[in-house]
Amino acid sequence: DQQVKQNSPSLSVQEGRISILNCDYTNSMFDYFLWYKKYPAEGPTFLISISSIKDKNEDGRFTVFLNKSAKHLSLHIVPSQPGDSAVYFCAASRTSGSRLTFGEGTQLTVNP
Amino acid sequence: NAGVTQTPKFQVLKTGQSMTLQCAQDMNHEYMSWYRQDPGMGLRLIHYSVGAGITDQGEVPNGYNVSRSTTEDFPLRLLSAAPSQTSVYFCASRGRSVMNTEAFFGQGTRLTVV
Repeated sequence: DQQVKQNSPSLSVQEGRISILNCDYTNSMFDYFLWYKKYPAEGPTFLISISSIKDKNEDGRFTVFLNKSAKHLSLHIVPSQPGDSAVYFCAASRTSGSRLTFGEGTQLTVNP
Repeated sequence: NAGVTQTPKFQVLKTGQSMTLQCAQDMNHEYMSWYRQDPGMGLRLIHYSVGAGITDQGEVPNGYNVSRSTTEDFPLRLLSAAPSQTSVYFCASRGRSVMNTEAFFGQGTRLTVV
């Protein structure tokens, strides 16, 4: 039972354009959501998060949107840069929970 | 500041051998977890711990043992390695807080079982 799902294994965008990465979840108990970025041969690093009491959170070029009724969140990167090329993982947890549940990941490639 | 340290970075085992993957964190985090990353499957939780002396199973615990004798350390043991355990393993730690917090990951251990 895949509780967090990223349906796009890969995404390719041009430098300067917007990248939109999507994530769906099924467990209605999840109320905290995170995005991680992972470069090859490195561990995942935290990018941005959102609590279910919000529907949007921004940090520089990165914005996460949460649609609770659709159980869907998305990560927008504007403008995209070649250094953003990495695998992006969506993760979810319950408030103050010890477990994070991850999606399959999306490989983003930003072409110069 | 070291954060989460995993050793070794690479390991090749023969089927049936045993080994321990080490994980240490210096952030005084209560929560620690082990994940494995396989192509197309994301990060799957193997075992986790909510504090010293307390561990529990994740999604894919079979073939792995853990213990948590101190806050800092959370080793993962493979008792009899199998080719299906070829994977990249990540240890993570996370603080317990009324405010949600992110998990910090180690650099990973790439394990090959032949």
